[in-house]
Amino acid sequence: ETGVTQTPRHLVMGMTNKKSLKCEQHLGHNAMYWYKQSAKKPLELMFVYSLEERVENNSVPSRFSPECPNSSHLFLHLHTLQPEDSALYLCASSQASGQGGEQFFGPGTRLTVL
Amino acid sequence: DQQVKQNSPSLRVQEGRISILNCDYTNSMFDYFLWYKKYPAEGPTFLISISSIKDKNEDGRFTVFLNKSAKHLSLHIVPSQPGDSAVYFCAASGSSGSARQLTFGSGTQLTVLP
Repeated sequence: ETGVTQTPRHLVMGMTNKKSLKCEQHLGHNAMYWYKQSAKKPLELMFVYSLEERVENNSVPSRFSPECPNSSHLFLHLHTLQPEDSALYLCASSQASGQGGEQFFGPGTRLTVL
Repeated sequence: DQQVKQNSPSLRVQEGRISILNCDYTNSMFDYFLWYKKYPAEGPTFLISISSIKDKNEDGRFTVFLNKSAKHLSLHIVPSQPGDSAVYFCAASGSSGSARQLTFGSGTQLTVLP
């Protein structure tokens, strides 16, 4: 595997389900990010991990719970979601000390909440 | 309030002609600007970037221009090719804590007509 991978690519869940999204980066980076992309809206930064510590949480509801067990893996645990949480969830990675902040993205997980 | 704006949601250009995508920002603390390209069902792919200390950066068919006084940047693609048809996102970065973060615009759908 190369780059940034995400599983699953598609997920349909009910509002009472619990599921997890997984992200893995194979680039040797030390910062990882979760973004949400809704239709016709900019990418919204949800969480930032740098050197495995969470450094940003942009007022994301507690029904989204991130986990970063090491610098290569990032999870987003989902529980009791709402239909408005349906969106494309993107994971990205970068070098925390990188000059320009270039981030490399995975293909995303298309989430549908029924 | 959006700090990075792409006011044109779509742009149609004839193959071989120049495509010009525009982006405006409001935060003068941004010091690095990036363009990403996104195909359906894929994550954004980094295209080209520019530091705030420069006013132009060129890479093959792609050139990014930065006008700091106007807080405006643009991406020129010449000549445009049908394979360039995608959504283009402008992003801005400023150093913040231990990991640089990107603020994205809402994207411009470019369609290059054969």
